[in-house]
Amino acid sequence: RKEVEQDPGPFNVPEGATVAFNCTYSNSASQSFFWYRQDCRKEPKLLMSVYSSGNEDGRFTAQLNRASQYISLLIRDSKLSDSATYLCVVRGATNKLIFGTGTLLAVQP
Amino acid sequence: DGGITQSPKYLFRKEGQNVTLSCEQNLNHDAMYWYRQDPGQGLRLIYYSQIVNDFQKGDIAEGYSVSREKKESFPLTVTSAQKNPTAFYLCASSSGTPTYEQYFGPGTRLTVT
Repeated sequence: RKEVEQDPGPFNVPEGATVAFNCTYSNSASQSFFWYRQDCRKEPKLLMSVYSSGNEDGRFTAQLNRASQYISLLIRDSKLSDSATYLCVVRGATNKLIFGTGTLLAVQP
Repeated sequence: DGGITQSPKYLFRKEGQNVTLSCEQNLNHDAMYWYRQDPGQGLRLIYYSQIVNDFQKGDIAEGYSVSREKKESFPLTVTSAQKNPTAFYLCASSSGTPTYEQYFGPGTRLTVT
């Protein structure tokens, strides 16, 4: 079993739609959680950290469920510019980051 | 502007040649990392350094070497012993505690023929 698993997609959604990504992690000792965004042939960029209480940044909401060991990212009112690959990232007990393979989002006009 | 720079953006080499990829940061971060990304795969950790003059192997260190003589710099050498060196190489840095967020440079795309 992979340490961090994501649905690879692609998720094809119309502009204005709400889309949700889920991610599961295998190590219950994981301590920090993040969502990164990666555009085609570019570097990953930190989108948001995920806190136990959940957190929101504009149209983006991240949730953490430690009991079930999953993380989610909700994007409301999708824009064309949201098209990218979204990487779920978990910090393990050794403080190294473990990256999922990413979920590809394509927002259609 | 604070950030991480990697050079060059594209690099072409012949098999059997060693090549060194540059990574510099001016974020005053203690920790630096090298990852490799292949199409359809997640990032894989090659080497990391949490402090000057110290570094550790990551998950796929074979065929690679690094040095950390200055806080700002963490060059990666891809040696001829690396069997499949063609990939997208990403350098990252982190301040460490409390959240260990990492910030990436723009990457170097290496092609070996």
